[in-house]
Amino acid sequence: GAVVSQHPSWVICKSGTSVKIECRSLDFQATTMFWYRQFPKQSLMLMATSNEGSKATYEQGVEKDKFLINHASLTLSTLTVTSAHPEDSSFYICSAGPGQGWTEAFFGQGTRLTVV
Amino acid sequence: GQQVMQIPQYQHVQEGEDFTTYCNSSTTLSNIQWYKQRPGGHPVFLIQLVKSGEVKKQKRLTFQFGEAKKNSSLHITATQTTDVGTYFCSTGNQFYFGTGTSLTVIP
Repeated sequence: GAVVSQHPSWVICKSGTSVKIECRSLDFQATTMFWYRQFPKQSLMLMATSNEGSKATYEQGVEKDKFLINHASLTLSTLTVTSAHPEDSSFYICSAGPGQGWTEAFFGQGTRLTVV
Repeated sequence: GQQVMQIPQYQHVQEGEDFTTYCNSSTTLSNIQWYKQRPGGHPVFLIQLVKSGEVKKQKRLTFQFGEAKKNSSLHITATQTTDVGTYFCSTGNQFYFGTGTSLTVIP
């Protein structure tokens, strides 16, 4: 299957600072990427759909000015959590797909964000 | 987003017992996918169902898609400790995930 690399795997930041998370498709081109957040023992909540070369589509209730998504190339999408607060602490995970012969989504390893 | 509910939320079984999780959508689905997430890991694709009434098997796992394409089930026969994890269904088009069922297998 395809490989999606997410970086960093964990990050601790101070309240009020911004954090950037990268999601890369290593061996394929991903025109569409998805960003999720997952709280402990809960499901993956879709935050936004990122399309290469265009603005991301955000789900209802997700602040686009707080969670900035950039999908500037076919292999890289970034999520920036701006002015992070403790309530933003969560597991953020990206996925890419479908495309190029497959129907499923391939997930990055996820990023554990802790805001102190 | 799309409402996709799964039951049960948690399931503890003795090793060797069977396990079933159910996925129910408020709308008709074009297809449904199942993923498994191990503790601390990321979701991994298991299978996709497309046709009404479709049944697919992967070794001890049996997947069904309802006739109305609004529900699906995953059944595991004779669970093993390696089956531990959370099982999610997902609407294939926009990848909305169900609420998940966390499976614990007691050796």
